[in-house]
Amino acid sequence: EPEVTQTPSHQVTQMGQEVILRCVPISNHLYFYWYRQILGQKVEFLVSFYNNEISEKSEIFDDQFSVERPDGSNFTLKIRSTKLEDSAMYFCASSDWTSQETQYFGPGTRLLVL
Amino acid sequence: GESVGLHLPTLSVQEGDNSIINCAYSNSASDYFIWYKQESGKGPQFIIDIRSNMDKRQGQRVTVLLNKTVKHLSLQIAATQPGDSAVYFCAENMNYGGSQGNLIFGKGTKLSVKP
Repeated sequence: EPEVTQTPSHQVTQMGQEVILRCVPISNHLYFYWYRQILGQKVEFLVSFYNNEISEKSEIFDDQFSVERPDGSNFTLKIRSTKLEDSAMYFCASSDWTSQETQYFGPGTRLLVL
Repeated sequence: GESVGLHLPTLSVQEGDNSIINCAYSNSASDYFIWYKQESGKGPQFIIDIRSNMDKRQGQRVTVLLNKTVKHLSLQIAATQPGDSAVYFCAENMNYGGSQGNLIFGKGTKLSVKP
């Protein structure tokens, strides 16, 4: 069964450093998303991406964040200058054109900012 | 405000019993709802979804009920098994007005199945 994959599974970084979280969405999907989950809290929407551009973004997704689809398979989330409060699980999700709302999630990347 | 919440944060059931997990949503404009299961250290796993033009939808051992009058959603799991132990999230989607439909998640209910 096709699934969303994410790398790395864990990332530890120093405050102020840049991190890139990588995702490979399900191959025939057209819509891509990033969510985050701070420990013990709700899953929160960050950004959606379609047709090589951002469709929607939340208030969390400020200028420190960017997304990119550098090739036909990868979808990345970059945090330019990490802050302590960026520590969270980051989930990538994707959906196809027949049922855009049905989003399938990856296993997540646990980011720890020290 | 726009929020999805859960009535019960934890639920403990005996193996073999049926489980019912509840969810309240506040936005009457939401037109799509989805239940996810999240096991420890893993991402949300799709269980079942329902659109606002339906009241009930059944899957394998799971049923989702939607009551739009009181803005309530429930997930029923039949013959609960130890492998069902996880945190269950409901999420809503308001795919209107050009929105690409980001999901708004509730806090989650932890289901523990006792053998």
